[in-house]
Amino acid sequence: DTEVTQTPKHLVMGMTNKKSLKCEQHMGHRAMYWYKQKAKKPPELMFVYSYEKLSINESVPSRFSPECPNSSLLNLHLHALQPEDSALYLCASSQPGGGPETQYFGPGTRLLVL
Amino acid sequence: KNQVEQSPQSLIILEGKNCTLQCNYTVSPFSNLRWYKQDTGRGPVSLTIMTFSENTKSNGRYTATLDADTKQSSLHITASQLSDSASYICVVSRYTSGTYKYIFGTGTRLKVLA
Repeated sequence: DTEVTQTPKHLVMGMTNKKSLKCEQHMGHRAMYWYKQKAKKPPELMFVYSYEKLSINESVPSRFSPECPNSSLLNLHLHALQPEDSALYLCASSQPGGGPETQYFGPGTRLLVL
Repeated sequence: KNQVEQSPQSLIILEGKNCTLQCNYTVSPFSNLRWYKQDTGRGPVSLTIMTFSENTKSNGRYTATLDADTKQSSLHITASQLSDSASYICVVSRYTSGTYKYIFGTGTRLKVLA
């Protein structure tokens, strides 16, 4: 199983809502990532978890709150988002280390903030 | 500055033709270079990963080359198919402060016409 699953596929939320994005993998990977991708742009790294601990936070606003409950799950909690946060949110996983191990991406959650 | 530049930005070719996409980087220290294929609205899929000592790597009709001296890589697609229409993203991994970071290029959008 080389699949990373993400739910929901689509999400529309208001600026006062609280929602969560979920990501799951069963490949035994101990590194998991959140990326944000705007249209026609490459993905931008947001967070990296390594062995269930937050190892990289790329100065992401606090309205995005990641959580890694266990080695297979990764959540992104959203609160008080802005319209400019509308984007495709991608989850990925790999073995830790950044070496030549393949990074597997999920299909993404397309988020629209109204 | 750590950057990855790709050319061309976009490319249109006829089905069955070959094409070559370019990636130049200024990332240091270099760990590895990856090529991804991303279909519209989907997560990227890994095509090849090359370390410093590798000059070429193939994955079916995709062949990547790496010249670590000139810091250039190319992705050659042979006998293109309609399904090759996608964005191709070059990603360079660097090791800094005890962690690995991925630097994404802006991608090349390829359109294959029948």
